[in-house]
Amino acid sequence: NAGVTQTPKFQVLKTGQSMTLQCAQDMNHNSMYWYRQDPGMGLRLIYYSASEGTTDKGEVPNGYNVSRLNKREFSLRLESAAPSQTSVYFCASSERSVQGGFRNYGYTFGSGTRLTVV
Amino acid sequence: GIQVEQSPPDLILQEGANSTLRCNFSDSVNNLQWFHQNPWGQLINLFYIPSGTKQNGRLSATTVATERYSLLYISSSQTTDSGVYFCAPGTGGGNKLTFGTGTQLKVEL
Repeated sequence: NAGVTQTPKFQVLKTGQSMTLQCAQDMNHNSMYWYRQDPGMGLRLIYYSASEGTTDKGEVPNGYNVSRLNKREFSLRLESAAPSQTSVYFCASSERSVQGGFRNYGYTFGSGTRLTVV
Repeated sequence: GIQVEQSPPDLILQEGANSTLRCNFSDSVNNLQWFHQNPWGQLINLFYIPSGTKQNGRLSATTVATERYSLLYISSSQTTDSGVYFCAPGTGGGNKLTFGTGTQLKVEL
């Protein structure tokens, strides 16, 4: 199925443990993003990659690192998990495409990873 | 950064009713998208609409960039429309978005 695939879907970590969230897209998009969503809030940008080989910080990058492994894959790493990182993490991708003469930067989101840090 | 305000925060409709959701933003934007998050948490892109008007079935959206607001219209609402609707404008490069806190919609029979 075309789209954005995130793994794992659920994870429980102990404080101080590390883990990597994986994200892959098969739409040949250039840009990829990691957001977190906390209860009752909108999504906040952690890191993004405008194109293969580049990464930049978003609004809430502290405690995270990212790797744009290739055009398809963009991973998010928690080096030393903290309870404040308990959240739902979403990966997204986007691209410029010409549709009816208009450029479309519309996002496609993955299904999310629900992370609990105890 | 850009500030995003969505209204109303909560909305309950009877099936078949129409509604308008509003999004105000504080800066000039080169990108604006509307999303629906269903009760299972999946985020679906409804519209990419930095300016102008678009329609897709029972949904339509209008962005007036010069006045810094966007509207999402839902006509003949159905129970499957329930969920949270997010407005997300973007500025600068990289196609980054800033999300509002959403409008929680419940459509009842």
